[in-house]
Amino acid sequence: EVQLVESGGSLVQPGGSLKLSCVASGFTFSNYWMDWVRQTPGKSLEWIGEINTDGSKTNYAPSIKDRFTISRDNAKSTLYLQMSNVKSDDTAIYYCTINWAYWGQGVMVTVSS
Amino acid sequence: DVVMTQTPVSLSVAIGQPASISCKSSQSLVGTSGKTYLNWLLQRPGQSPKRLIYLVSKLDSGIPDRFSGSGSETDFTLKISRVEADDLGVYYCLQGTHFPDTFGAGTKLELK
Repeated sequence: EVQLVESGGSLVQPGGSLKLSCVASGFTFSNYWMDWVRQTPGKSLEWIGEINTDGSKTNYAPSIKDRFTISRDNAKSTLYLQMSNVKSDDTAIYYCTINWAYWGQGVMVTVSS
Repeated sequence: DVVMTQTPVSLSVAIGQPASISCKSSQSLVGTSGKTYLNWLLQRPGQSPKRLIYLVSKLDSGIPDRFSGSGSETDFTLKISRVEADDLGVYYCLQGTHFPDTFGAGTKLELK
């Protein structure tokens, strides 16, 4: 059974940093591109970015503007999202997903002073 | 970015009745490969989204054939032939043809 489990969400102050993790199981993690998506309170979904199978290529939504970095550790079957210089608009539930077919349970990030 | 416009915003349907959701894109979703990367997702209350349909009309594994997707170019439709209680939630269309992937704002399906 495919499982994606995110962790690392918390309350963070504006301008701060946070690193989210997504541990995968039930499939060969190193064979798949992975994506991060977020859902702001009461609003729709926003694609954040993606990473290729070996971690050598990443693509990001223009709105992220170099503040976020996606990486992966295939030996640990883990995907990461490093968030820097966070803003109140980054308050959201963050999901990792494989091809939109499988999603984690999501992790809440709240940016507030 | 490609804008995905869903209608209606909300839909109230009785159990056993059909439902239909429209999704229109601001530009054609036919890719250079000839494929159309249009997906439909369902987010049940308190849950993560779940993909129902990909490539316009292909049902994901385990999705009942009460669900169907159709459309081309810029106009797409999700239909439920007979709504069941388990179908309640917010439906999203999602395009993956043009960078970046973009979602519709969602259609909330409620029971009448």
